[in-house]
Amino acid sequence: KAGVTQTPRYLIKTRGQQVTLSCSPISGHRSVSWYQQTPGQGLQFLFEYFSETQRNKGNFPGRFSGRQFSNSRSEMNVSTLELGDSALYLCASSLGIMGNEAFFGQGTRLTVV
Amino acid sequence: AQKVTQAQTEISVVEKEDVTLDCVYETRDTTYYLFWYKQPPSGELVFLIRRNSFDEQNEISGRYSWNFQKSTSSFNFTITASQVVDSAVYFCALSEAGDKIIFGKGTRLHILP
Repeated sequence: KAGVTQTPRYLIKTRGQQVTLSCSPISGHRSVSWYQQTPGQGLQFLFEYFSETQRNKGNFPGRFSGRQFSNSRSEMNVSTLELGDSALYLCASSLGIMGNEAFFGQGTRLTVV
Repeated sequence: AQKVTQAQTEISVVEKEDVTLDCVYETRDTTYYLFWYKQPPSGELVFLIRRNSFDEQNEISGRYSWNFQKSTSSFNFTITASQVVDSAVYFCALSEAGDKIIFGKGTRLHILP
């Protein structure tokens, strides 16, 4: 059974640009969550999608957005990139049932210069 | 509001020693779930265990054991006879019923040969 796949693995962008990250969850999983990991703030929840609907949202500015497709694949987009957006972005998939464990991808490391 | 505190930022022990990683949580819900994840240098978070709030039984899995105590809101993780391969960052996490998983800041564990 394939795990969670995130693409690309590494990305370098300049300030002001926008970026789109992709996540393919484990087959059969309907929930996809996104997290931002930085040395200073740790793992911070961005948002969760379940059956194409945003179910939960963290405290991030509107520049961060996401969506989920009918095949459960998800994308997150960051517009008008800032230096502080440099981070490891992790995607997690789960069945979406209350209390289910989440399985994580290897992440996309975004560097904003 | 839910919160997870891992007071130990970094721990170093010599191989074969036992080590306990502390986790204290805060929640107002009576139904919640606790998790431990391991993050090796590769970056991918690896699921270790899930516990629901109604099951206070301790669990042992090989060299790993977990002590869940609702009276002290703690969910501690012990590695017995540590090995170099156990070196990683370990995260404790909490999910209130139907809500997102939030993570503690993590404990970086160094196992010295």
